[in-house]
Amino acid sequence: EAGVTQFPSHSVIEKGQTVTLRCDPISGHDNLYWYRRVMGKEIKFLLHFVKESKQDESGMPNNRFLAERTGGTYSTLKVQPAELEDSGVYFCASSLLAGVHTDTQYFGPGTRLTVL
Amino acid sequence: DAKTTQPPSMDCAEGRAANLPCNHSTISGNEYVYWYRQIHSQGPQYIIHGLKNNETNEMASLIITEDRKSSTLILPHATLRDTAVYYCIVRVASGSARQLTFGSGTQLTVLP
Repeated sequence: EAGVTQFPSHSVIEKGQTVTLRCDPISGHDNLYWYRRVMGKEIKFLLHFVKESKQDESGMPNNRFLAERTGGTYSTLKVQPAELEDSGVYFCASSLLAGVHTDTQYFGPGTRLTVL
Repeated sequence: DAKTTQPPSMDCAEGRAANLPCNHSTISGNEYVYWYRQIHSQGPQYIIHGLKNNETNEMASLIITEDRKSSTLILPHATLRDTAVYYCIVRVASGSARQLTFGSGTQLTVLP
């Protein structure tokens, strides 16, 4: 079974440009999460989809970030316009829809974003 | 979700057991203890989780104290590839999925 995949693995852009990150969750996983780690900081939650709906977007830093999950499969995270402080590693994770027990999230390898 | 406290770093000799402690003194009865690790430049990797009973899988064992205020992750025979940052995360069990809250974790270095 394929794990969570992310594309691209690295992206280098200039300040003011737009970048779109993609995440393909494990097949059949309804929950999809985005996290990021900026330099020297801890991994922080950005948002959570259940299928195509945004369940929680409390971690999104500002309106320059737009996440979508059309059709409830893969997700994209667009940063427009990118700023220097957006540099970091963006992780995607997925999990099955939780039942009685809390869900286990499986992470992708991340996208390293560098804004110059 | 309850806060956790972990030592910032630990060393372990290759082939020996690595015992990583975690304090979660404010844990509630409906909160699970999860362990993840992040090997350099990779995404966090799920290791194990438990509620109150000790758990074991192919990667590790999780020992939770009877009062549930602390736990220990045990890697029985550490290898160089186990060098990573290990995160102890406490998270409520509920009918809905929720985010993980990562702290600073423990940097485990396995020495040859």
